Amino acid sequence: EAQVTQNPRYLITVTGKKLTVTCSQNMNHEYMSWYRQDPGLGLRQIYYSMNVEVTDKGDVPEGYKVSRKEKRNFPLILESPSPNQTSLYFCASRLPGQGNYEQFFGPGTRLTVL
Amino acid sequence: SQQGEEDPQALSIQEGENATMNCSYKTSINNLQWYRQNSGRGLVHLILIRSNEREKHSGRLRVTLDTSKKSSSLLITASRAADTASYFCGANSKLTFGKGITLSVRP
Repeated sequence: EAQVTQNPRYLITVTGKKLTVTCSQNMNHEYMSWYRQDPGLGLRQIYYSMNVEVTDKGDVPEGYKVSRKEKRNFPLILESPSPNQTSLYFCASRLPGQGNYEQFFGPGTRLTVL
Repeated sequence: SQQGEEDPQALSIQEGENATMNCSYKTSINNLQWYRQNSGRGLVHLILIRSNEREKHSGRLRVTLDTSKKSSSLLITASRAADTASYFCGANSKLTFGKGITLSVRP
């Protein structure tokens, strides 16, 4: 089954404790991205990747890192999480090009930073 | 940024009625896409319309695009309780979304 998976689905952590949220897709998509969703603010893109070893900042990249060493994986790294990073996070992927393709979203990771 | 802004923010209708949702964007686009999100879950793609198309249908969905007004509308006909969800529009490759439209369909 074609899908985007994220782990963990739920995470409660404390300020400053480094964490990684994994994202994996099995559709051989070149393009992957991360979004965060907050009440009243909608979905905002954090980082995206056009292909392996190619990443770029989205609209809200501060406090986040990503890497793209393999096509299928696109982990989101929070080196020193803070409470304002409490949010619902989504990973997504699609075929490359000018974007005339649908994005496939993962199920989301609900992160709480205390 | 190429942002989709949805309107209205909330919509409540009776089952069987039609639901019309609007989206505006700021810059030129190659395509515009609509997505649905059930509470707390990931977004699911509904329909994509290219910039050279004016109208597109998919089942009970009808989407229009007016590039001169930089706007799109999504019509859900004969709504069902299962259509209750949030709806988002996004444009082009970056798919910057707005805050979404919360649709409630009353049985």
